[in-house]
Amino acid sequence: GAGVSQTPSNKVTEKGKYVELRCDPISGHTALYWYRQSLGQGPEFLIYFQGTGAADDSGLPNDRFFAVRPEGSVSTLKIQRTERGDSAVYLCASSSAGGYNEQFFGPGTRLTVL
Amino acid sequence: AQSVTQPDIHITVSEGASLELRCNYSYGATPYLFWYVQSPGQGLQLLLKYFSGDTLVQGIKGFEAEFKRSQSSFNLRKPSVHWSDAAEYFCAAAAYNQGGKLIFGQGTELSVKP
Repeated sequence: GAGVSQTPSNKVTEKGKYVELRCDPISGHTALYWYRQSLGQGPEFLIYFQGTGAADDSGLPNDRFFAVRPEGSVSTLKIQRTERGDSAVYLCASSSAGGYNEQFFGPGTRLTVL
Repeated sequence: AQSVTQPDIHITVSEGASLELRCNYSYGATPYLFWYVQSPGQGLQLLLKYFSGDTLVQGIKGFEAEFKRSQSSFNLRKPSVHWSDAAEYFCAAAAYNQGGKLIFGQGTELSVKP
């Protein structure tokens, strides 16, 4: 079956612009996670959804970052007024029920803010 | 604060040699522990995981890891490395009551000499 997909694979934007990053999880997976990976670092947790609701958004760096999952499947990570420091690879993962279940990762979206 | 540390940023081993990648964690209680591998252009792939029970866990691709509570460690091993094992390896942990939120180490890049 299909794995986790993320679009676009690459996004180049200018400082101050708004961007949306999309994640399509594995069908039937109720838990969805967003992580951010900066160059030379391990992924850093941003937000976790269980169904439609954000169960833990403690990793969002500030109020410019927001994520939604309105129907409990596809999720969109939204970044307002982008800054150069937002440049990173944004990873999405899904799992069948959260907790200690295996998270399956997508290939990521590489965001570059000029 | 919860943290995962991988002391070695880069390791080079000869093909056919044994491998050990180090991982230490700092959590209030023993977390769930994971090792992921990330190859260029590929998503993160789970190698193995530890929740409880036998402290030596077997994973895919011939990898194993040993949990040592007294040392707060979860080191990854492989008896004989293949050139295709060259990749970035991440240790990660999740507290049992945080919905699967993963905290990653900074990664160890493995190079394999012919």
